Amino acid sequence: DAKTTQPPSMDCAEGRAANLPCNHSTISGNEYVYWYRQIHSQGPQYIIHGLKNNETNEMASLIITEDRKSSTLILPHATLRDTAVYYCIVRVNNAGNMLTFGGGTRLMVKP
Amino acid sequence: GAVVSQHPSRVICKSGTSVKIECRSLDFQATTMFWYRQFPKQSLMLMATSNEGSKATYEQGVEKDKFLINHASLTLSTLTVTSAHPEDSSFYICSARGERGYNEQFFGPGTRLTVL
Repeated sequence: DAKTTQPPSMDCAEGRAANLPCNHSTISGNEYVYWYRQIHSQGPQYIIHGLKNNETNEMASLIITEDRKSSTLILPHATLRDTAVYYCIVRVNNAGNMLTFGGGTRLMVKP
Repeated sequence: GAVVSQHPSRVICKSGTSVKIECRSLDFQATTMFWYRQFPKQSLMLMATSNEGSKATYEQGVEKDKFLINHASLTLSTLTVTSAHPEDSSFYICSARGERGYNEQFFGPGTRLTVL
């Protein structure tokens, strides 16, 4: 699976949009971009995933660049409960493939 | 999303004892389950992958005789830490993937193991 690069930490004001970047310059054509988050002392929580097109769900939006070498996770109105470590993962969707976690970005939402 | 539970959520044991952690998929059948370990301020590290009815596949550096994994049914996998030592103290997280597709992998809430 391709490696990802994320900033180790970010701050965001409560109520503002949080934009979390991820670089995956070696991504291959059949690899998806996944985002998970982990709130302190809990298991990771799925947020969103995509292949080429931008995606949106009730939690977030995922913007993937046209060359697919980077992506941005957007939390439109961050709340204090969004404080967590956010992991960007790229992987091929097949039976043998598990999620491999990198360092992630520690997002601190401040009042 | 689907629900994965773990039991216990927290366990404290003496050095040399064995500890069993259960992972259950509550509303789907998990054909594949994964066990991760997370040390403080570090990311999750995959320990092993298990498919129902077959032996687990361990990642390099993980002792299979120390971390016994059983995936006897489509809804239950267990991780037994044998002869636990203080360095085994960690946050253990299981994850399950169902038959619906390979897109989705659901995580349990984790088990905090402290070995005294």
